Order: sequence, then structure tokens, then C-alpha cells
Amino acid sequence: EAEVAQSPRYKITEKSQAVAFWCDPISGHATLYWYRQILGQGPELLVQFQDESVVDDSQLPKDRFSAERLKGVDSTLKIQPAELGDSAMYLCASSLTEANTDTQYFGPGTRLTVL
Amino acid sequence: DAKTTQPTSMDCAEGRAANLPCNHSTISGNEYVYWYRQIHSQGPQYIIHGLKNNETNEMASLIITEDRKSSTLILPHATLRDTAVYYCIVRVDGNTGKLIFGQGTTLQVKP
Repeated sequence: EAEVAQSPRYKITEKSQAVAFWCDPISGHATLYWYRQILGQGPELLVQFQDESVVDDSQLPKDRFSAERLKGVDSTLKIQPAELGDSAMYLCASSLTEANTDTQYFGPGTRLTVL
Repeated sequence: DAKTTQPTSMDCAEGRAANLPCNHSTISGNEYVYWYRQIHSQGPQYIIHGLKNNETNEMASLIITEDRKSSTLILPHATLRDTAVYYCIVRVDGNTGKLIFGQGTTLQVKP
């Protein structure tokens, strides 16, 4: 069964350092999502791609976060510089399209700890 | 987006059916009900979704009331591995497809 891949699974960094997370969606899925989940809360969307284009980044803190999906396949989410409040689980999900009939499938996530 | 209301927590005995309710009284005609669960420290796992009719798959059954204002997720024979946070999400078509998660229901399956 095809799965969404993410790496690394865990990342510990010091504040002011740069970090990057990678996501490889299910093959053929045009829509890719990055969510952030703070401990004890549900995931919240950071950015959404349709192929290589950003369709929603309204909740992405653009002063320090960036995301790209250059060839419309895998994607990278970067934080520079990291802050203590960025400690969270970063989840990637993908779906065939953005239609509400197409199921989103999630990867295992990257747990970020900022010291 | 339609808001959902779920109990904060529920217990269930191992081997018994777990019935998880969800209220979505403001749901519109083209909005689907999705259920995901999240086992500790893992990514959310898709369970099932539906529009009007009841749905069943290998994991669970979804019962949607005729007026669509509420639904129930049924795990027919709960096991300890079903202990997780269960999220009921109403998904709007044309809203970029993002999922809006609430607090969910923490289901504890007990031996």
C-alpha cells in the first residue's frame, strides 16, 4: 500500500538554527499539504500545493517559514531561524485532488524540538 | 466551514463495540463527513467518510442521520490498539480541500 514518506522522523535543534523537513507524497497525488500540530491540539494547515503551485499559505509564518514543491512531486518545508514556539509535529498529507471526495493520507510526521 | 462537536473522552471495553458520536448541525448538502484517528505520536489515519448514506469498510461503520446533523462512528469489536484520538471533520468542497481538525474524542479501550 502506497504511503506518504517524511524525513527526518525526529529533529532536535537550537533556537536560531535552520531546519528542513522533507515529504514524498503518494505517487500521482497532485495536492500536497503541510500541517503543524502542537501538543494536545489538532493539526492546522500551514501550506497547500496543487502540483508545484501554492494554493493556500495564509497560515504560514512567512517571515521564517518557506515551502517549495519545485517539480510538483516531493516537497520541503524550511524554518529559519527556528524559535522555541516552533516545537511541534509537522505533518505532510497528500490527495489526488483538493476535492472533498478525495481522501487525504498523512505521513508519520516529523517531531521538532527547539531548545 | 461546518463545526463539529465531539465528547472529549470515552471508554470502551475490549471486544465490545465503540460508538463515537459527532454533531454537525450546520452541515450543508455538499459537505462530507470524514473520520480520522491519531494514535499517540503517529500521523492521522483515515478511517471512513460519507455524504448521506451509511458506509462500512474493513475498519469501521459510519452511520449518518437522515437530517445529516449528526453521525456515529462504530468500531465493531474494539481492541487495545484502537486507543487513539478520533476526529470527526466536515469537509467543504471548493474550500481548497484542507481539513479543519477540532479537539477530537480520546477513546480509551480497556482490557
